[in-house]
Amino acid sequence: SAVISQKPSRDICQRGTSLTIQCQVDSQVTMMFWYRQQPGQSLTLIATANQGSEATYESGFVIDKFPISRPNLTFSTLTVSNMSPEDSSIYLCSVGGGTSGSETQYFGPGTRLLVL
Amino acid sequence: SQQGEEDPQALSIQEGENATMNCSYKTSINNLQWYRQNSGRGLVHLILIRSNEREKHSGRLRVTLDTSKKSSSLLITASRAADTASYFCATDRTGANSKLTFGKGITLSVRP
Repeated sequence: SAVISQKPSRDICQRGTSLTIQCQVDSQVTMMFWYRQQPGQSLTLIATANQGSEATYESGFVIDKFPISRPNLTFSTLTVSNMSPEDSSIYLCSVGGGTSGSETQYFGPGTRLLVL
Repeated sequence: SQQGEEDPQALSIQEGENATMNCSYKTSINNLQWYRQNSGRGLVHLILIRSNEREKHSGRLRVTLDTSKKSSSLLITASRAADTASYFCATDRTGANSKLTFGKGITLSVRP
C-alpha cells in the first residue's frame, strides 16, 4: 500500500487568503485525486491530478478556485484560493497504488481547514 | 450526486456483537470499496470487492456484493470499542477512470 503524507495537517485562515496543501506519496503513482469533506458530510471529488497534463475538475469545482499542480509522479498540491468560511473542510488526497493505477485507493491523513 | 447510500445512518451496539452496514448504489461499477474514518481523520481502506465477486473476507470483516440489487453489506464480527468510527462505501463506477463516489457514511458506536 502507498504511504501518503499531507501538509499542513490543519490550519486556520482568514477569509480572502489562499492556502496550498501538499500531498506526498512514497512511490510513483499515475493518478492522484483531491477530495473535500465538509463538516459532517461525505467525501466529494474535486479533481483528478495527472502528471504531465491539466487537472480534470468535477462539476461544481473550477481551476481558478482550486488550482492544482502535479509536477511529478509522487507529489501534488491543491490551492484553496480566496477562501470563505464555506471552504472550511477536510481536504484529502488519494492515490491508486503503483504506476499502473491499481484499483485500491489509499488516502492521506487529510488537511483540516477552518476559515474565519 | 452521491452514488452510494448507506443504511443505517447510525448504529449503536454492544462490544462483542456483530455490526452489519448496508450500501446501495445506482449505476454499474468496477468495484466497491469500504473505508473507515475515525473522528474526521484520514480514511483507512478496509476492503475492495470487484463487480465479479460476491463475497470477501478480511479478518473480522465480511463484505458481500449483489450487483443485481446494486447493494453491498459490510459485516464486522465480534465488534470492539476500537471499531467505533464512521464507515463509508465508495464505488468505482464503470467508465469513471477510478474516480470514487462515496456514500453518506454510517456512524458506528460500539459500547464497551
